[in-house]
Amino acid sequence: GIQVEQSPPDLILQEGANSTLRCNFSDSVNNLQWFHQNPWGQLINLFYIPSGTKQNGRLSATTVATERYSLLYISSSQTTDSGVYFCAVKNEGYQKVTFGTGTKLQVIP
Amino acid sequence: DTEVTQTPKHLVMGMTNKKSLKCEQHMGHRAMYWYKQKAKKPPELMFVYSYEKLSINESVPSRFSPECPNSSLLNLHLHALQPEDSALYLCASSGRMNEKLFFGSGTQLSVL
Repeated sequence: GIQVEQSPPDLILQEGANSTLRCNFSDSVNNLQWFHQNPWGQLINLFYIPSGTKQNGRLSATTVATERYSLLYISSSQTTDSGVYFCAVKNEGYQKVTFGTGTKLQVIP
Repeated sequence: DTEVTQTPKHLVMGMTNKKSLKCEQHMGHRAMYWYKQKAKKPPELMFVYSYEKLSINESVPSRFSPECPNSSLLNLHLHALQPEDSALYLCASSGRMNEKLFFGSGTQLSVL
């Protein structure tokens, strides 16, 4: 099956800083999503972005499908951004969505 | 209504008990999913229902039995679980299979 690696695995930021999270995948995909899991376990869908760039407030995401990676940008980070960020992908000809290894983000005041 | 509702939020059960997890959505979604998540790990797919029919079973042991009574409801019946089955069980839905996923808040299950 497809391999999905995220980097960095852990990240500590001062409130107000910017960051970039990366998702690398081993095969072509036709479905890529970014999620934020808060400390209470709730998974929130941030972006559905199989290709191109999208922005939502302080967050934006870019997927370069031909080069098999996606980036999640967080600007002016807030303590409520803390949690684990997952990308999840599906490649063509395969029915299952596979989650990446995750990036644990801690934003400190 | 953009919510996926899961009950109960917490469940403690013995290895001989029978219990059920419930999931409900009213977004008109036709695909529903069960995921299992162990601490510090990504969610792992267990089952997918598409148009109320089981589409994917990821070789899950038979002590887990899914049921989709209608397009809004998804159940997971649990019987004779093992302590290693303790985990966060997440339900999700999407418009159709493999479209944008919406997750419930999960059931934290402990098997004693």
